[in-house]
Amino acid sequence: DAKTTQPNSMESNEEEPVHLPCNHSTISGTDYIHWYRQLPSQGPEYVIHGLTSNVNNRMASLAIAEDRKSSTLILHRATLRDAAVYYCILHRDDKIIFGKGTRLHILP
Amino acid sequence: NAGVTQTPKFQVLKTGQSMTLQCAQDMNHEYMSWYRQDPGMGLRLIHYSVGAGITDQGEVPNGYNVSRSTTEDFPLRLLSAAPSQTSVYFCASSFFGPYYGYTFGSGTRLTVV
Repeated sequence: DAKTTQPNSMESNEEEPVHLPCNHSTISGTDYIHWYRQLPSQGPEYVIHGLTSNVNNRMASLAIAEDRKSSTLILHRATLRDAAVYYCILHRDDKIIFGKGTRLHILP
Repeated sequence: NAGVTQTPKFQVLKTGQSMTLQCAQDMNHEYMSWYRQDPGMGLRLIHYSVGAGITDQGEVPNGYNVSRSTTEDFPLRLLSAAPSQTSVYFCASSFFGPYYGYTFGSGTRLTVV
């Protein structure tokens, strides 16, 4: 399974944008980049995914490097409710494997 | 839509007891899977299924059995519970393919004493 590398933790101020990085240097051409988040005491929640082009939805934006070896999840205006563990995952076939993710702390 | 429903939410077992964790989805998803999450850890894949009658092992399958007789249900069986199986268990489902996101249940917190 292809690996991703994320910082263990990050901090951001409330109401400011947050950029969560992910490196996936061994990505293959058919791997989709997925992001999930897990709020405290809840199950993971799908956030966004993409293949080559940048993607936007109501929750976040996903910026994918031209060589696809890295990506960035962008929360445009963080709130306290965005404090969670964020997982960057490469989805290739019939299963996804979670890494340790990035724990995002939001400072009021 | 109920989404992914897991029962029970909490369970305490004695070592050696057996039990089945239930997972049901009403979205007609082909793919279903089970993960466990230990304190401070990420999720580890136990078993998964790409359709009725088809199951496969994940990262940590030992001590767990699954079957998939219908599209809707994917139960996880612990044949002889051990303290090492104390964990939070999450079930997930999706349409098949890497361009679909997973929907997760709210989890079952299992304690084996």
